[in-house]
This record gives sequence, structure tokens and C-alpha cells, in this order.
Amino acid sequence: AQRVTQPEKLLSVFKGAPVELKCNYSYSGSPELFWYVQYSRQRLQLLLRHISRESIKGFTADLNKGETSFHLKKPFAQEEDSAMYYCALSHTGGGNKLTFGTGTQLKVEL
Amino acid sequence: GAVVSQHPSWVICKSGTSVKIECRSLDFQATTMFWYRQFPKQSLMLMATSNEGSKATYEQGVEKDKFLINHASLTLSTLTVTSAHPEDSSFYICSARDSVSYNEQFFGPGTRLTVL
Repeated sequence: AQRVTQPEKLLSVFKGAPVELKCNYSYSGSPELFWYVQYSRQRLQLLLRHISRESIKGFTADLNKGETSFHLKKPFAQEEDSAMYYCALSHTGGGNKLTFGTGTQLKVEL
Repeated sequence: GAVVSQHPSWVICKSGTSVKIECRSLDFQATTMFWYRQFPKQSLMLMATSNEGSKATYEQGVEKDKFLINHASLTLSTLTVTSAHPEDSSFYICSARDSVSYNEQFFGPGTRLTVL
């Protein structure tokens, strides 16, 4: 069965420090991985997807099939990065349903 | 960008009554919409996949007779919680998949349901 694991419920870093939000997955097929972000009092929105290989708001994530990981990274955290981050896996053979991880609350302190 | 709305944003009802929640894609057509449930401080759990013009596909453990889904048009899906009970109190979120934007789901703001 597909599963997405985000081991940290809360990650607190200082402004300017590097950030790494961990995400591991288990899936028998070829995965499509996403990172979604939810800022305070806002709806969930897509941050980035592995297939695009893009950097959004300074964040990047590389799919490592050997380690079944899709960690989210940013070299220098900003205060506005404080939010809830969800890693998600798309079931390509199941109507593109998403399975979400439990989320990591990122808090960037001054 | 693509916008998804939900109505109402919050609702309080008595136990035993039914509540309908609407999910609309405002500026795109969505052949597929998804309904999620989120308990406090927990992740989103997919309840069902709503396909325009056909029956919804429910996830294991979700009662289809209790959570009625109708997707009558390309811009509207509704979730009706029938005979609601306090344990149905939760945050219900819908998303719509834009067939043009590769595999991206756009999320609604959610509906807070409280059953007394």
C-alpha cells in the first residue's frame, strides 16, 4: 500500500538557517511526488512537484528512488516560510489520487 | 490561477440532520473532484473521488450511503452528510483537478462542520 511519512511534526529554525523537511514514501509503482504548503488561515496550495524539477520560493526537492525520499530543502529560511508543509504522492494508476503525509509545521524564528 | 470555492465555509447542525457542502471550480472545468476530511492536527484523508457524470469512487472505510456525492456538472460537486452525528464533525476539503495543468489539484478553503 502507498504511504507517505513525514517524521517531524514541528521543525523550528532561525531565519537564514538551512531548512530540510523530510519525506519518505512507499509505493509499488512509479511515484509522482508533490509538496503542498498551507500558510496560516489559507488553503492548501501546490509548492512544487518532482516532475517539474523547479525551484519555487527558493525551495527544491529531489526525488531519490533509492532512498524513497523526496525531502524539501531551502538554503536560507525566511520568516514568511513559516507554514504547514505536506508531502503527497499521486497514484498514477488510481485516477491521480493523492496520499498525504501527516505534515510538518515549519516555524522560522527571528 | 485556478480557483476552487466551497460553500458554506462553516456549518453547525443538529444530530440527525443532513448537510450539503458545495465545491465549485470557478474558472476551469474539472472532470474530477476529490473530497477530503481533516481532523484537528491531522493530515488530509481522501474520502472519495467524484467524477462528472458518473458515480463517485469511495475510499475503503467511507460509507457511501452516509456521504453522498453528486458531480452533475464540470464545475460543481456536492457532498451531503446524511443523518449527521457528532463524530462527523470535521473539516471537509475539496479539490478539483484541472486536466490542462498537468496533474495539479486545486484546493478549496474547506468547510468546518460541527454536529451538536
